[in-house]
Amino acid sequence: EVQLVESGGGLVQPGRSLKLSCAASGFTFSNYYMAWVRQAPKKGLEWVATISTSGSRTYYPDSVKGRFTISRDNAKSSLYLQMNSLKSEDTATYYCARHSAPSNWFAYWGQGTLVTVSS
Amino acid sequence: DIQMTQSPPSLSASLGDKVTITCQASQNINKYIAWYQQKPGKAPRLLIRYTSTLESGTPSRFSGSGSGRDYSFSISNVESEDIASYYCLQYDNLWTFGGGTKLELK
Repeated sequence: EVQLVESGGGLVQPGRSLKLSCAASGFTFSNYYMAWVRQAPKKGLEWVATISTSGSRTYYPDSVKGRFTISRDNAKSSLYLQMNSLKSEDTATYYCARHSAPSNWFAYWGQGTLVTVSS
Repeated sequence: DIQMTQSPPSLSASLGDKVTITCQASQNINKYIAWYQQKPGKAPRLLIRYTSTLESGTPSRFSGSGSGRDYSFSISNVESEDIASYYCLQYDNLWTFGGGTKLELK
């Protein structure tokens, strides 16, 4: 059974940094692209970042490019999201997701971790 | 960047109704669209991929169609367990979600 468990969320002040983690199990982690998707309170879904199987390629929307960095450790079956220069509009539940295959849909999701950016 | 315009934002239906949600892409997305269901406090659940392919476990009352820029998602014979929000996702060029549709009971 595919399992994705996020951690690292919490309350952080504007301008500060936070690093999220996602522990994966139930599949061969190194074979799949991975992603982060977020959802602001009472709002819709927004793709945040995707990383290739080896980690050599990363993809971001303009809203987070230059502030967020996605990375992975295939030996630990773990995914990360380093978030810098956080803004109030980054407040959201952050979901770890597994792509079905390169450049395809999000097939599996974790339960999410809440990040609140506030002074 | 590809934009996805999803409508309507909300929908009220009676049990047994048929409802339809549409997504229009800002450019041709070559049928690379998926549909998700999300219930409050839960992660999204994949229902349909590649326009009309039902994911394992998706009831047959759910369906999808479309091509080019225009796509639709339907639920025939709405059941109480279908009350949720629904999102389209284009994956032709990076990834973009539609704004979502909240389905409520009339």
